[in-house]
Amino acid sequence: QSVLTQPPSASGAPGQRVTISCSGTGSNIGSNFVNWYQQFPGMAPKLLLYGINQRPSGVPDRFSGSRSGTSASLAISGLQSDDESEYFCSAWDDNLDGPVFGGGTKLTVL
Amino acid sequence: QLRESGPGLVKPSETLPLTCTVSGGSVSRTDSLWAWIRQSPGKGLEWIGTVYSGGRTYYNPSLKSRVNIFVDTSTNQFSLRLTSATAADTALYYCARLPEASSVLDSWGQGTLVTVSS
Repeated sequence: QSVLTQPPSASGAPGQRVTISCSGTGSNIGSNFVNWYQQFPGMAPKLLLYGINQRPSGVPDRFSGSRSGTSASLAISGLQSDDESEYFCSAWDDNLDGPVFGGGTKLTVL
Repeated sequence: QLRESGPGLVKPSETLPLTCTVSGGSVSRTDSLWAWIRQSPGKGLEWIGTVYSGGRTYYNPSLKSRVNIFVDTSTNQFSLRLTSATAADTALYYCARLPEASSVLDSWGQGTLVTVSS
């Protein structure tokens, strides 16, 4: 039911690389930057990536993002147990005049 | 920093009132927009609306008829009023900041759970 589409779950072993996809439309991902948020249980979402692969202070460069057309993806390399969390994509929607979100992807580190 | 406050329980058909207190900065700053976002198990994260320091507002069309968001510069707060509440409005409500001309929600409150029930 979310405007942006993400897989509900993803997993990987420590040290591996995982990617999480995010699909939208021309009015959101197709026209605007995609932002990614990380959310631990019981906590508020926290900005993880924004703009063109920009990371807030403290976010390691193991996290990277890309966009192509109306899709985007988050890549996490060198997976660590601390990365086990839920990840949300978001983008401004020109029709809504506000941000839209993906349904979230729960990442499990095996 | 942002902190939400308000009743944890609202009766159906009543108004859901929440306030976000801004600390460490002014709600009047012209480089910021202030937003309300909610999160529920069934619908994920949903943008409710955004207010500029000068009072201009943008609302999610799905909620527009029931939403009012406004800034109170005297208390350094901004508030949400959601009328005619129903069980579907039960959610974790967050306030957040967006830098002007940006889609980035770079600062969030810790969230407050509101249940709509009689």
